Amino acid sequence: AQSVTQLDSHVSVSEGTPVLLRCNYSSSYSPSLFWYVQHPNKGLQLLLKYTSAATLVKGINGFEAEFKKSETSFHLTKPSAHMSDAAEYFCVVRGPGDSNYQLIWGAGTKLIIKP
Amino acid sequence: DGGITQSPKYLFRKEGQNVTLSCEQNLNHDAMYWYRQDPGQGLRLIYYSQIVNDFQKGDIAEGYSVSREKKESFPLTVTSAQKNPTAFYLCASAKQGHPNYGYTFGSGTRLTVV
Repeated sequence: AQSVTQLDSHVSVSEGTPVLLRCNYSSSYSPSLFWYVQHPNKGLQLLLKYTSAATLVKGINGFEAEFKKSETSFHLTKPSAHMSDAAEYFCVVRGPGDSNYQLIWGAGTKLIIKP
Repeated sequence: DGGITQSPKYLFRKEGQNVTLSCEQNLNHDAMYWYRQDPGQGLRLIYYSQIVNDFQKGDIAEGYSVSREKKESFPLTVTSAQKNPTAFYLCASAKQGHPNYGYTFGSGTRLTVV
């Protein structure tokens, strides 16, 4: 069975400093992994995705994530935080099968940016 | 521009009432999904539909019902059987056969029981 664990419920960083949001997954096959961002009272937006191509994935707004199979991790990083990055971030693994591609969601990490 | 529209943005329900949340997409996506979001939890799947006139229960379908009479529309009814309906509801769609494109989400409906 697939599962995903976001290791921190809250992360607080100062503006201009690096961001690291941690995600570990469990999957019995080669997974597809995603990061989504949700700003307060908004829907979710896809930040980036890993689909068995390059292990370092670049997304929107300067975010990137690295797929590490040996560590079963897919951590999200950004070199320099901006106030507009304050939001909740969800790590997601895709369910099995070709047509049944339901997503399995982590509990979310709230990113707080200090001025 | 293509997208998903959820309405209303805020909805208040009295005890014992059924309410229906609207979800419409003009992306020509085959698959549509309803999720429930509670504070401190990931999204939980209520129902999904991969083709018109067909839908399947997700992880928390009890107390909810859906229909898929048109490709563009996937309304969710929260029935009086749902004991704790206060939550943020998100509708999503995806193109069948292209799962790695990810989902497109609506902006959500916040339902509150009064």
